Amino acid sequence: RKEVEQDPGPFNVPEGATVAFNCTYSNSASQSFFWYRQDCRKEPKLLMSVYSSGNEDGRFTAQLNRASQYISLLIRDSKLSDSATYLCAVNNYGGSQGNLIFGKGTKLSVKP
Amino acid sequence: DGGITQSPKYLFRKEGQNVTLSCEQNLNHDAMYWYRQDPGQGLRLIYYSQIVNDFQKGDIAEGYSVSREKKESFPLTVTSAQKNPTAFYLCASSIGTRGGWNEQFFGPGTRLTVL
Repeated sequence: RKEVEQDPGPFNVPEGATVAFNCTYSNSASQSFFWYRQDCRKEPKLLMSVYSSGNEDGRFTAQLNRASQYISLLIRDSKLSDSATYLCAVNNYGGSQGNLIFGKGTKLSVKP
Repeated sequence: DGGITQSPKYLFRKEGQNVTLSCEQNLNHDAMYWYRQDPGQGLRLIYYSQIVNDFQKGDIAEGYSVSREKKESFPLTVTSAQKNPTAFYLCASSIGTRGGWNEQFFGPGTRLTVL
């Protein structure tokens, strides 16, 4: 099983739709989790941190399910400007480096 | 403005040449990181440094070298030994010295192309 896995998509949704992405991780000792947004040919930008069961920021909700070892990102009322690739990152606690492991990203395309 | 800067934005190199990518941060972060991103791939860790004058290899350190002589600077040298250096290189930093416990913030990246 890969360390951090994401559905690559693309997810093509109409404006106003609700869309959810999942990210599974293999290290059960991981303690911190992050969602990043990456626009085409740009750097990843931190969207949300998920330190406990979940986090909400406006239209965005991130949830953590430790039992099943996944985090999710829910986007409500999608906007055209939400089109991007969404990366999840999980800390590699207890591993050889204790750093973040990134998924390959899920591409979202919001259409008018 | 506080942030992370990388230069140059685009870099072209001939085979057999070493090149150095710059990364500077004025966020007073202790930890700094270098990643490589290839099309359709996730970020892969090259090197990281949790404190000045100390750094560790990441998953794909072969063909790369780094230094951390100052807290705010973490340059990456891509040597001629790197077999496939064409990629998007991203530098990041975080507050803590325990990597992974704190959010990482990224610079704008350098696109390296080997001709």
